[in-house]
Amino acid sequence: QVTLRESGPALVKPTQTLTLTCTFSGFSLNTGGMCVSWVRQPPGKALEWLALIDWDDDKYYSTSLKTRLTISKDTSKNQVVLTMTNMDPVDTATYYCARRVSESLDYWGQGTLVTVSS
Amino acid sequence: QTVVTQEPSLTVSPGGTVTLTCASSTGAVTSGYYPNWFQQKPGQAPRALIYSTSNKHSWTPARFSGSLLGGKAALTLSGVQPEDEAEYYCLLYYDGAWVFGGGTKLTVL
Repeated sequence: QVTLRESGPALVKPTQTLTLTCTFSGFSLNTGGMCVSWVRQPPGKALEWLALIDWDDDKYYSTSLKTRLTISKDTSKNQVVLTMTNMDPVDTATYYCARRVSESLDYWGQGTLVTVSS
Repeated sequence: QTVVTQEPSLTVSPGGTVTLTCASSTGAVTSGYYPNWFQQKPGQAPRALIYSTSNKHSWTPARFSGSLLGGKAALTLSGVQPEDEAEYYCLLYYDGAWVFGGGTKLTVL
């Protein structure tokens, strides 16, 4: 049974760095073809793809946000971490992690709402 | 900046058929874009429906199908049910990165 769960602060201040953790079970990021991706959704708006890390530790980022994002993994803990620097109120969103396998984002976490406000 | 475009909203009658489309600002959508489709209901996480143009997940109802149509990715719902009312998003692959469409709000009326 595949599950993913996002965790992190609910509130961050402008200019701070956000660190989010995706803890997963039911699969291993040591397995060829397995990847974990991050996606966000501002309130009332569309989904936005952010980043992906694969089993081989290759990393891919959204073109528009790549200078602010870092994705990493800890396979021993079954975790993927996303950091986003220089947070702004427009970054207020629900942040999701999802498993990617066979060119599909098949399983998703429930998401965590992050509000950026002073 | 690559833009993926979907119809903002569509309305369909129960039992009817509707096709949602997904276009790329870079040109025709092909299988190499690995089109994915997701359904999202209010307050819920997205649910995967279709991947790699037309492949269904084990949980995808048979009335949902994916294809390429006129240079776009397409999601067709046949025999629409009231519970299909939701927001639908497509996702396309661009050389290492992925881009979501703006979503289509499907109303069943």
